Amino acid sequence: GAGVSQSPRYKVAKRGQDVALRCDPISGHVSLFWYQQALGQGPEFLTYFQNEAQLDKSGLPSDRFFAERPEGSVSTLKIQRTQQEDSAVYLCASSLGWGDEKLFFGSGTQLSVL
Amino acid sequence: GENVEQHPSTLSVQEGDSAVIKCTYSDSASNYFPWYKQELGKRPQLIIDIRSNVGEKKDQRIAVTLNKTAKHFSLHITETQPEDSAVYFCAASIGYGGATNKLIFGTGTLLAVQP
Repeated sequence: GAGVSQSPRYKVAKRGQDVALRCDPISGHVSLFWYQQALGQGPEFLTYFQNEAQLDKSGLPSDRFFAERPEGSVSTLKIQRTQQEDSAVYLCASSLGWGDEKLFFGSGTQLSVL
Repeated sequence: GENVEQHPSTLSVQEGDSAVIKCTYSDSASNYFPWYKQELGKRPQLIIDIRSNVGEKKDQRIAVTLNKTAKHFSLHITETQPEDSAVYFCAASIGYGGATNKLIFGTGTLLAVQP
């Protein structure tokens, strides 16, 4: 595709509800990252995939957060039993990998937990 | 731990003036330093980047300088225009020991260019 695509663009969830956020990276990009951006802050690293392998999940805030990229392309970030503190913009980014580190971001999913 | 500090948090300049944003990083192994521009409600967009084997890089009105010894890098925008108004983020790479690194971002600078 022309760029990194994320859906939904906005998500409102009731506290305790499970949500799933989708990311479609640029075709051929090996590396895929998820970031969380709170209002007025910089993106904070959540997790990293190289193809289908999740090589780093050190940024996931709790075991309620789970990410997968089963076929090395589309990725899903799942948040179980959402809490108000989960409210943020979730950004997906991809890069070609293998030494090309230019990171291209999607427009994000703005999650609001009520 | 891995940390990138950015300042100022807000910057207001008159159209035509220059703007400078500064960042420091903690990991001496960081070797890639991009800058992103984010307009309200939009995705972060890469505007310029620099690698550690280069001290300065310029692209039209935008330049970035890197001081590896001091672990400082800066973004310089000359002849600012109202469309430069946005939040700017610096970032530094943290390596995995292979060919790909993750980026640690600063907290952002809100630049306002007054016409």
